[in-house]
Amino acid sequence: AQSVTQLDSQVPVFEEAPVELRCNYSSSVSVYLFWYVQYPNQGLQLLLKYLSGSTLVKGINGFEAEFNKSQTSFHLRKPSVHISDTAEYFCAVSDYNFNKFYFGSGTKLNVKP
Amino acid sequence: DAGVIQSPRHEVTEMGQEVTLRCKPISGHNSLFWYRQTMMRGLELLIYFNNNVPIDDSGMPEDRFSAKMPNASFSTLKIQPSEPRDSAVYFCASSYGGNQPQHFGDGTRLSIL
Repeated sequence: AQSVTQLDSQVPVFEEAPVELRCNYSSSVSVYLFWYVQYPNQGLQLLLKYLSGSTLVKGINGFEAEFNKSQTSFHLRKPSVHISDTAEYFCAVSDYNFNKFYFGSGTKLNVKP
Repeated sequence: DAGVIQSPRHEVTEMGQEVTLRCKPISGHNSLFWYRQTMMRGLELLIYFNNNVPIDDSGMPEDRFSAKMPNASFSTLKIQPSEPRDSAVYFCASSYGGNQPQHFGDGTRLSIL
């Protein structure tokens, strides 16, 4: 079975600063990896996904993530955050059979002016 | 594309009452998922369907919960009888299956008094 760990439950950061949200996974098989964002009172929206190919994946709103197979990580980064990036971010993994997703516990990003 | 549509957006009812949550997936998607989100337990997968057939219901908390998908464009999640600990936000998501990401509805915020 797969599992996803998001070590940071909350990340405070000032506007225009860079940010990295950490995600580690455990799996005995190859996986697909995803980052979702959840704004208040809304459902989850896909930010980006890694299926195969280049390990650096670019998503919407200037976010990117890098798949590191040896470290089983898929950290999310943005070089300069905006107030509007304040939200909760979820890392998710699914296996090649794609029976279901496994979500991390989420990281709340709080961007301060 | 209308996205995943859930109804109602909010539901407040007294314990012991039957609650029915509804979901209309994105047209053409063949996989449908029901999740529950709480502060304590985060995002939990309750059940998922593939081609209208329930594949994995191991996340359904107890027999009070049931889900149906009578056709490709409609699913329900029912709680009978409801209890205060069922209070949560319930999300429906759909996808094309395979390695395709899930698309979430805006959720139903359920409060059981």
